[in-house]
Amino acid sequence: EAGVTQFPSHSVIEKGQTVTLRCDPISGHDNLYWYRRVMGKEIKFLLHFVKESKQDESGMPNNRFLAERTGGTYSTLKVQPAELEDSGVYFCASSSWAGAKNTEAFFGQGTRLTVV
Amino acid sequence: KNQVEQSPQSLIILEGKNCTLQCNYTVSPFSNLRWYKQDTGRGPVSLTIMTFSENTKSNGRYTATLDADTKQSSLHITASQLSDSASYICVVSEDDMRFGAGTRLTVKP
Repeated sequence: EAGVTQFPSHSVIEKGQTVTLRCDPISGHDNLYWYRRVMGKEIKFLLHFVKESKQDESGMPNNRFLAERTGGTYSTLKVQPAELEDSGVYFCASSSWAGAKNTEAFFGQGTRLTVV
Repeated sequence: KNQVEQSPQSLIILEGKNCTLQCNYTVSPFSNLRWYKQDTGRGPVSLTIMTFSENTKSNGRYTATLDADTKQSSLHITASQLSDSASYICVVSEDDMRFGAGTRLTVKP
């Protein structure tokens, strides 16, 4: 069974440009989460999808970030326009059974975004 | 202020030795506490998951403990191996997961 996959693994863009990150969760997982780790600090929550619906987007830093999950399968996270402080590693995780608090969450390998 | 604090920030030990990593949290209420291992360039991989009613959980050479009264957890690694070199992250969750900053463990030969 394929795990959570993220594309690209690395991205270097200039300030002001747009970048789109993609996450393919484990097939059948209703829950999809986006997190990011900035400057070696702790991983922080961005948002949570249950199928195609945004369950919680309280962690999204500002309106330059837009996440979508059309059809409840893969998800994209777009940053437009990118700023220097957006640099970091963006992780995606998925889990099964929406609402199950003890369900294991599986992480992707992350996308390292560098804004120069 | 982060609700999950880990110590030490980094740790260097010799291969074959044991070590214990600490996690203190203020997340309340919470439903479970997880320890993840994150190798460089990879996503976190789950080691253990404990509910608030569990005191200990083992996974091979990894043993996690939880004291819900003092809101402390530890991860004990026995007979360390070079491949144990990684970041170990404590995650406390109710509806969302709250991450600690991690402990960077280096195992040297």
